[in-house]
Amino acid sequence: KQEVTQIPAALSVPEGENLVLNCSFTDSAIYNLQWFRQDPGKGLTSLLLIQSSQREQTSGRLNASLDKSSGRSTLYIAASQPGDSATYLCAVAPGSGTYKYIFGTGTRLKVLA
Amino acid sequence: EPEVTQTPSHQVTQMGQEVILRCVPISNHLYFYWYRQILGQKVEFLVSFYNNEISEKSEIFDDQFSVERPDGSNFTLKIRSTKLEDSAMYFCASSPSYNSPLHFGNGTRLTVT
Repeated sequence: KQEVTQIPAALSVPEGENLVLNCSFTDSAIYNLQWFRQDPGKGLTSLLLIQSSQREQTSGRLNASLDKSSGRSTLYIAASQPGDSATYLCAVAPGSGTYKYIFGTGTRLKVLA
Repeated sequence: EPEVTQTPSHQVTQMGQEVILRCVPISNHLYFYWYRQILGQKVEFLVSFYNNEISEKSEIFDDQFSVERPDGSNFTLKIRSTKLEDSAMYFCASSPSYNSPLHFGNGTRLTVT
């Protein structure tokens, strides 16, 4: 059964710092992996989607990498800003062609001005 | 930018009552989903819907739950007889194709008393 874990659970950094959020999954047979941002009381916003055949994806100050064999993905945020404060979730689509994304518990990020 | 719209934002109901949660997915999207998040827990998959039928459902999605796309724009989740443990944030999501990012609505907070 696929399990998705994210560490750390919470992170507080000063503005301008580069940071890395971690996601690990137990079954390497995945179809794709998405990183989402969740603001309090709001829905989830998809940040990056990495296909199983890809190693990384970039969007602006965000870079996500995927290492299927080790069951890991990282989200790198460059030059963090207070507006980046949110909960970041990773979600894995299992490799059996299922539509069912399995989510991690998230990392709650606070960027201090 | 088009977005997924969910109504109501908050619903309070008594145990045993029926509730219908409503969603308007993005107009050219073909895949529709319901997820839920119990307070302090992970986001969980409930059901996916494609081509006017359920494509996959989780163990949570038992006979008390049903989904419908009554017209070309709305996508509804009905809970027939609510239980206390159904209290959660329910998110609707849609995507244009199978292997593309999910777009989430802001959710409906369901409170069962």
